[in-house]
Amino acid sequence: DAKTTQPTSMDCAEGRAANLPCNHSTISGNEYVYWYRQIHSQGPQYIIHGLKNNETNEMASLIITEDRKSSTLILPHATLRDTAVYYCIVRAGGNTGTASKLTFGTGTRLQVTL
Amino acid sequence: EPEVTQTPSHQVTQMGQEVILRCVPISNHLYFYWYRQILGQKVEFLVSFYNNEISEKSEIFDDQFSVERPDGSNFTLKIRSTKLEDSAMYFCASSEAGIGRTFGSGTRLTVV
Repeated sequence: DAKTTQPTSMDCAEGRAANLPCNHSTISGNEYVYWYRQIHSQGPQYIIHGLKNNETNEMASLIITEDRKSSTLILPHATLRDTAVYYCIVRAGGNTGTASKLTFGTGTRLQVTL
Repeated sequence: EPEVTQTPSHQVTQMGQEVILRCVPISNHLYFYWYRQILGQKVEFLVSFYNNEISEKSEIFDDQFSVERPDGSNFTLKIRSTKLEDSAMYFCASSEAGIGRTFGSGTRLTVV
């Protein structure tokens, strides 16, 4: 799986959009970008994933650059409950069943403040 | 919303003892996983399980570890002869189609 690079930490004011960047310059054509988060030692929580088109769900939006070498996770209106470590993971397979592993890095620690 | 349930939430065991960590995946899910997280470190993949057999395992998952789906609803991780360095949070996860995974809240294993 391709390596990802994320900032170690970020702050965001409550109610503002949180934009979390991720670089994955060695991503290959069959690899998807996944985002998970982990709130204070709880189990990781799936947020969103995409291949090349921008994606949106009830939790977040995922913007992937045209060359697919980087992406941004957007939490449109961050709340205190969004304070967590956010992991950007690149992995082959996103529309078919596969048991292949997720490789977690150190992620970005997002602190949402009042 | 469906959940992955893990029991116990906290287990303390003596070094050398065997422990079984239990998980109830989401009922219609077909793929099952164990991960662990040593305090302050990354979440690490241990093993994936599909169609009643191991699909993939990491270097961590040596002969000390085994997994089982004994009755079609539970998914267990057995650790034989526990060591101090096995102390960690162990997370079970399941997935319907191998895409997004739902993780449980974890079992904190403390080996003393």
